[in-house]
Amino acid sequence: KAGVTQTPRYLIKTRGQQVTLSCSPISGHRSVSWYQQTPGQGLQFLFEYFSETQRNKGNFPGRFSGRQFSNSRSEMNVSTLELGDSALYLCASSFQAGGQETQYFGPGTRLLVL
Amino acid sequence: GENVEQHPSTLSVQEGDSAVIKCTYSDSASNYFPWYKQELGKGPQLIIDIRSNVGEKKDQRIAVTLNKTAKHFSLHITETQPEDSAVYFCAASRGSFGGNEKLTFGTGTRLTIIP
Repeated sequence: KAGVTQTPRYLIKTRGQQVTLSCSPISGHRSVSWYQQTPGQGLQFLFEYFSETQRNKGNFPGRFSGRQFSNSRSEMNVSTLELGDSALYLCASSFQAGGQETQYFGPGTRLLVL
Repeated sequence: GENVEQHPSTLSVQEGDSAVIKCTYSDSASNYFPWYKQELGKGPQLIIDIRSNVGEKKDQRIAVTLNKTAKHFSLHITETQPEDSAVYFCAASRGSFGGNEKLTFGTGTRLTIIP
């Protein structure tokens, strides 16, 4: 099976702009989670989607939003970009087996805000 | 919420020796503990995980141990090789399907294998 894919891999934006990142989960996986990775804060959970519904949300401002489509592909959007939004954004897809989940990460989208 | 502490932050070992990374967690309801390896320019790769109903799990040169009473779990890599050099992250979650899948990560350990 192909792994989790994320597009674009690299992105440069300026403050105040908005950005949309895309994630295609592993075939058959219905849950998609998003994480932000920075040197200072490490890996932090943004939100999780399952069956087009946000099921869990981390402690990020409302500028960070996401959605999931019927084919399980997901997008996240960051509006009014700030310098501190520069980070590696990781998507993880997961499947459920026996009531338990395992998350597999994509390569990430590296966002630089100037 | 859950808090995961990871030690050490950096670790250098001679090729062929063993490496041990330790993590502690705070949420007694956590029952799923994965370990991820992240190489430069790549996303985290799941290398092994353990659930709370077992105390130890092995996969070739890698093993994870879990002590639920003490709320700590450890990654053991034996016969280390240069390709083991990477950043390793531990994580914890409540694990059960249905909205408790959020992973809380440790701060990472940069492992360097010295040839």
